[in-house]
Amino acid sequence: KAGVTQTPRYLIKTRGQQVTLSCSPISGHRSVSWYQQTPGQGLQFLFEYFSETQRNKGNFPGRFSGRQFSNSRSEMNVSTLELGDSALYLCASSLVPSGGNTGELFFGEGSRLTVL
Amino acid sequence: AQTVTQSQPEMSVQEAETVTLSCTYDTSESDYYLFWYKQPPSRQMILVIRQEAYKQQNATENRFSVNFQKAAKSFSLKISDSQLGDAAMYFCAYRSAEGGSEKLVFGKGTKLTVNP
Repeated sequence: KAGVTQTPRYLIKTRGQQVTLSCSPISGHRSVSWYQQTPGQGLQFLFEYFSETQRNKGNFPGRFSGRQFSNSRSEMNVSTLELGDSALYLCASSLVPSGGNTGELFFGEGSRLTVL
Repeated sequence: AQTVTQSQPEMSVQEAETVTLSCTYDTSESDYYLFWYKQPPSRQMILVIRQEAYKQQNATENRFSVNFQKAAKSFSLKISDSQLGDAAMYFCAYRSAEGGSEKLVFGKGTKLTVNP
């Protein structure tokens, strides 16, 4: 069974540009979450989606946006890139929203974004 | 808002010995889940062990066990018979059981080195 696939794995952009990152969840998983990982701030929650609806959003500026498609694949977009956006962006999927259960999150290997 | 604190940025252990990683958290909720995730260098994050707050019994997964002290809001991870493959960043994480959100709140992580 294929794991969570993130593309691209590495990318370099310059300030002011925009970037789109893609995440394909494990087959059958309908919930997708995104996290930003930096050495200074650690892992921070960006947003989560279920059935094409954003269920929760972290404390990030409006330059960060995302969406989920009917096949559960998700994309996140960062516009007007800043140097501080350089990070590893992690996507995670789970079978269903947890609710009362302890659904495991399965993480992808991440997309490493460098902003010059 | 919930917070998770890992007070040990780095730890080291000799192969075959036991090491304990510390984690404390702050929450006003009574029902929640706690997790330990492992992130090997340049590899994806994987779940090591999870604990439901309503369960008094400490979770165990093979060589990995936790010491969950709900009143003290403490959730430490013990790794027994340490192996070279255990070397990684370890993250403690909290998830609310309310609202069905997948959002994880992570600690800053502990880098574990295993010495042969």
